[in-house]
Amino acid sequence: AQSVTQPDIHITVSEGASLELRCNYSYGATPYLFWYVQSPGQGLQLLLKYFSGDTLVQGIKGFEAEFKRSQSSFNLRKPSVHWSDAAEYFCAAEDDKIIFGKGTRLHILP
Amino acid sequence: DTGVSQDPRHKITKRGQNVTFRCDPISEHNRLYWYRQTLGQGPEFLTYFQNEAQLEKSRLLSDRFSAERPKGSFSTLEIQRTEQGDSAMYLCASSLSGGAQYEQYFGPGTRLTVT
Repeated sequence: AQSVTQPDIHITVSEGASLELRCNYSYGATPYLFWYVQSPGQGLQLLLKYFSGDTLVQGIKGFEAEFKRSQSSFNLRKPSVHWSDAAEYFCAAEDDKIIFGKGTRLHILP
Repeated sequence: DTGVSQDPRHKITKRGQNVTFRCDPISEHNRLYWYRQTLGQGPEFLTYFQNEAQLEKSRLLSDRFSAERPKGSFSTLEIQRTEQGDSAMYLCASSLSGGAQYEQYFGPGTRLTVT
C-alpha cells in the first residue's frame, strides 16, 4: 500500500541550529512529493514540492528538501532555524490523491 | 481573494446530533477537497469535487457523512448522528484544477468535538 512515513514525532533544536526532518515514501513509482507546515490556528501551508528534475528543491522560508530515489526519501532541511519555525511539519505524496505522513512537531529552544 | 475560509472554526455537539460545516474556496478554483485530521495524525482524504460534481469518496466517508457543492462554489459537509469518533479537525482545500502541479490551498479547518 502507498504510504508516507515520518519517523520522528517530535524534534527539538536550538534557535540558530540546523534542521533536518526525515520523510520516506513507499510507492510503486516516484510520486509527487510535498512538505507542508501547520501552525496552531493556521491552515496547512505548502513549503515546497518535487515533481521531477533537480533533486534539491528550494522552498519558502529558507527551507529546502532533497529527493533521493535510492533511499525513497525526501528530507526537509534548513540551515538555521528561527523561533517562528516551531510548528508541525507534514510530508506528503501524491499519485492519485495526496497521502500525508503523521507529522513531525518541531520545538525550538531559545 | 483572502484564501479558503471555513465556518465555523469550532463546533461542540452532543453525540447523536447533526452538524454541518461550510467551506468557501478561492473563487476561481474548480477543485474542492475535504480532509479529516485527528490528533497525532496527518490529514486524511475524504472526498473531492470538480465544480459541482463529487468525483471520489474515501471509504472513510461513512453513510452518515454527506458533502455537497451545489453551484460549484462553496461546499458543505454534513455529519448525521455524530459519534465521539467523529471528533477531529475537518479541513477544506481548493485548487485551480486537478493534478499535483496545481497546489491545494488549505483553509484553517473546523474543529469538531463530540461530547
